[in-house]
Amino acid sequence: KAGVTQTPRYLIKTRGQQVTLSCSPISGHRSVSWYQQTPGQGLQFLFEYFSETQRNKGNFPGRFSGRQFSNSRSEMNVSTLELGDSALYLCASSLAGTGDETQYFGPGTRLLVL
Amino acid sequence: AQKITQTQPGMFVQEKEAVTLDCTYDTSDPSYGLFWYKQPSSGEMIFLIYQGSYDQQNATEGRYSLNFQKARKSANLVISASQLGDSAMYFCARNFGNEKLTFGTGTRLTIIP
Repeated sequence: KAGVTQTPRYLIKTRGQQVTLSCSPISGHRSVSWYQQTPGQGLQFLFEYFSETQRNKGNFPGRFSGRQFSNSRSEMNVSTLELGDSALYLCASSLAGTGDETQYFGPGTRLLVL
Repeated sequence: AQKITQTQPGMFVQEKEAVTLDCTYDTSDPSYGLFWYKQPSSGEMIFLIYQGSYDQQNATEGRYSLNFQKARKSANLVISASQLGDSAMYFCARNFGNEKLTFGTGTRLTIIP
């Protein structure tokens, strides 16, 4: 079974631009979560989607948004990029609601904001 | 705040030795899950092992085992017979009955040949 895939793997943007990151979960997984990893703040939860609905949200400004499609693929959007948005963005999928709580992560997207 | 604490920022271990990575957590919830992930320099988070708060036995997965001491709120990862490929960052995490994971700050493990 294929793992979680994320595109693109690397991205360079300038301040003020917006960016969209994509995540395809493991087949059959309906929950997709997003995390931001930076050297200063560590790993932080952004949001989680299940059946096209946002169920959980972390403590991030409204510039960070996401959505999930009917095939469970998810996108994350960051508008008006700031230098501090430079990070590794990790997506994870899980079989939510089945008793198996394990989240499986993709390879991440490294975003550099100049 | 419900915090995960990993007190060892870095560890150096001789190849083939066993290593224990520490993890303690705050919680007032009776039901929770504890996870360990490995992150090599490539960045991908690799799931290693899971322990549910109601599990009676410590979890094991190959060379990985979890020393779960519920009363002490401790969930240490034990890696037996360490290998050079075990060099990586290791993160302890717990969930809150939903899909949100809270992570510790990680331990950088270096295996010395």
